[in-house]
Amino acid sequence: AQKITQTQPGMFVQEKEAVTLDCTYDTSDQSYGLFWYKQPSSGEMIFLIYQGSYDEQNATEGRYSLNFQKARKSANLVISASQLGDSAMYFCAMREGQIGYSTLTFGKGTMLLVSP
Amino acid sequence: ETGVTQTPRHLVMGMTNKKSLKCEQHLGHNAMYWYKQSAKKPLELMFVYNFKEQTENNSVPSRFSPECPNSSHLFLHLHTLQPEDSALYLCASSQDIQGSSYEQYFGPGTRLTVT
Repeated sequence: AQKITQTQPGMFVQEKEAVTLDCTYDTSDQSYGLFWYKQPSSGEMIFLIYQGSYDEQNATEGRYSLNFQKARKSANLVISASQLGDSAMYFCAMREGQIGYSTLTFGKGTMLLVSP
Repeated sequence: ETGVTQTPRHLVMGMTNKKSLKCEQHLGHNAMYWYKQSAKKPLELMFVYNFKEQTENNSVPSRFSPECPNSSHLFLHLHTLQPEDSALYLCASSQDIQGSSYEQYFGPGTRLTVT
């Protein structure tokens, strides 16, 4: 079974509108972290936002917020006021475990296209 | 230079060639990673180094050989590759491999084509 599922291969949004990118995860750990990365066509993966499993508040970073619903095991990324520069691939990732070694598991990504 | 740099950015090599990819991080991190990104597949972790010691080899074929001479530099030596090894190879670093957040910072990647 996939640990990270991103069901939207592609999303379209108009400039200045908000968009939600879906991510569901599967883990039996109580302690885990969820990450979103942006990958423009240049290839570099850019860290956007982090949510810890014990964080009570949804994470926010500027125009990015993470809609964390623990019981549903979802961690959707919300981008408010989309900009043309937001066009990119977006990856959801999870780190399981807190103590000791742990790695990031990535989803397949969602391609976001922002139109004028 | 800031962040994580990778050279070369593009590489075309034959199946009998030997080449190396280089990664350098200027963030003072202790952990470094190699990932492979193939079309329409999730990022695949290949190797992890923490304080220059390899802590993970994710069932990677021996034609890929990593080297970490210090915490700032990471190499991926390539020999007798196959066409299916064509991909974007990403290097990343993080402060440590433990901790509650430890976001990873990525380089721009090397686009490898095996002919």
